[in-house]
Amino acid sequence: DTGVSQDPRHKITKRGQNVTFRCDPISEHNRLYWYRQTLGQGPEFLTYFQNEAQLEKSRLLSDRFSAERPKGSFSTLEIQRTEQGDSAMYLCASSLTGPSYGYTFGSGTRLTVV
Amino acid sequence: TQLLEQSPQFLSIQEGENLTVYCNSSSVFSSLQWYRQEPGEGPVLLVTVVTGGEVKKLKRLTFQFGDARKDSSLHITAAQPGDTGLYLCAPRKLGVDQLIWGAGTKLIIKP
Repeated sequence: DTGVSQDPRHKITKRGQNVTFRCDPISEHNRLYWYRQTLGQGPEFLTYFQNEAQLEKSRLLSDRFSAERPKGSFSTLEIQRTEQGDSAMYLCASSLTGPSYGYTFGSGTRLTVV
Repeated sequence: TQLLEQSPQFLSIQEGENLTVYCNSSSVFSSLQWYRQEPGEGPVLLVTVVTGGEVKKLKRLTFQFGDARKDSSLHITAAQPGDTGLYLCAPRKLGVDQLIWGAGTKLIIKP
């Protein structure tokens, strides 16, 4: 297994456009997380899945954000009508279920909204 | 109120020096993890501590979980430029599955 893969690594988009990011987790991991991170801060939770079920979504998350994990494998995160404030690093992580397991992160997608 | 505090926020020292960074809270945690993140990459898990008072060593890095499971420290001996990065503390609250993330300590080791 090559770890968690995210695509694209970088995305520049104009304000108002829609963008979609993809995450391929470690195949044995049943949990998948999406985070957003801005410079100088720790990861900010967006949402997570257990298999194909979306179990939690941040209350801070705008309705413009939506995530899917249709077959319990890869996941997509879509941002509609992007705003400059959406510019950030979007991180995906996967893990097994249980308190002793750590998260394996991808390298992230750097979004710049101009 | 801030749930998790990491200190210092920023630390720049010379190669060969020792250092300690801290992760503090008023909440009791079931477990705690430390991650290191390099620029442009995702965080990488360093260690998981579960038991109050637990000490784990990873080469020159020593991690300690507080007796009351409310805080943790990371000590680096003879720091090297390769230790440069953002060190993130990520505990779990009792009965909650999700990790909580601190803002991290940005560490720079100068050669």
